[in-house]
Amino acid sequence: SQELEQSPQSLIVQEGKNLTINCTSSKTLYGLYWYKQKYGEGLIFLMMLQKGGEEKSHEKITAKLDEKKQQSSLHITASQPSHAGIYLCGARGSNYKLTFGKGTLLTVNP
Amino acid sequence: EADIYQTPRYLVIGTGKKITLECSQTMGHDKMYWYQQDPGMELHLIHYSYGVNSTEKGDLSSESTVSRIRTEHFPLTLESARPSHTSQYLCASTGQGFTIYFGEGSWLTVV
Repeated sequence: SQELEQSPQSLIVQEGKNLTINCTSSKTLYGLYWYKQKYGEGLIFLMMLQKGGEEKSHEKITAKLDEKKQQSSLHITASQPSHAGIYLCGARGSNYKLTFGKGTLLTVNP
Repeated sequence: EADIYQTPRYLVIGTGKKITLECSQTMGHDKMYWYQQDPGMELHLIHYSYGVNSTEKGDLSSESTVSRIRTEHFPLTLESARPSHTSQYLCASTGQGFTIYFGEGSWLTVV
């Protein structure tokens, strides 16, 4: 089955700093998803990437899918306390099965 | 806005009881999923469905069962609940656009 590895597992940054979260798949990605989750709450959809080399941005968050479609990165520019939470990457395999990484816990200190 | 609904949102039941968690979507999505997640922990796929009358087991072994008799409905059943089943259960769906929509989750506590 497809495995997703996220790094780092946790991250503490000072407000205003940039940061990057990585997601690496053991198999080719047919679709890569980024979600944010607050502790004990539901998932908030951030972005979906499908094509190799694709890059999408929303406000201060940018996500990229590499050409080989086995790795994605999520970059936050000028982080704010509102960015704090758990970031999850999810992958859609060739059989439409959807699996998720273990998540990255982001803390942003004011 | 996502049109996927889960009921109940919160449930406390005794050991040995049978429960069904409901998940419904009005978007006509053919693919639906159930995930189990403990607070702050990994999201585990326990069941998924490609369409009516198709169900598959996910990566995490689960004592629950699912059915897909109608496109919009994907209920999850525990025949005999145990304290180890205490967790949050999240339902999701996707269609031709491949965007995944999640329900708000069902918190199950078995005492």
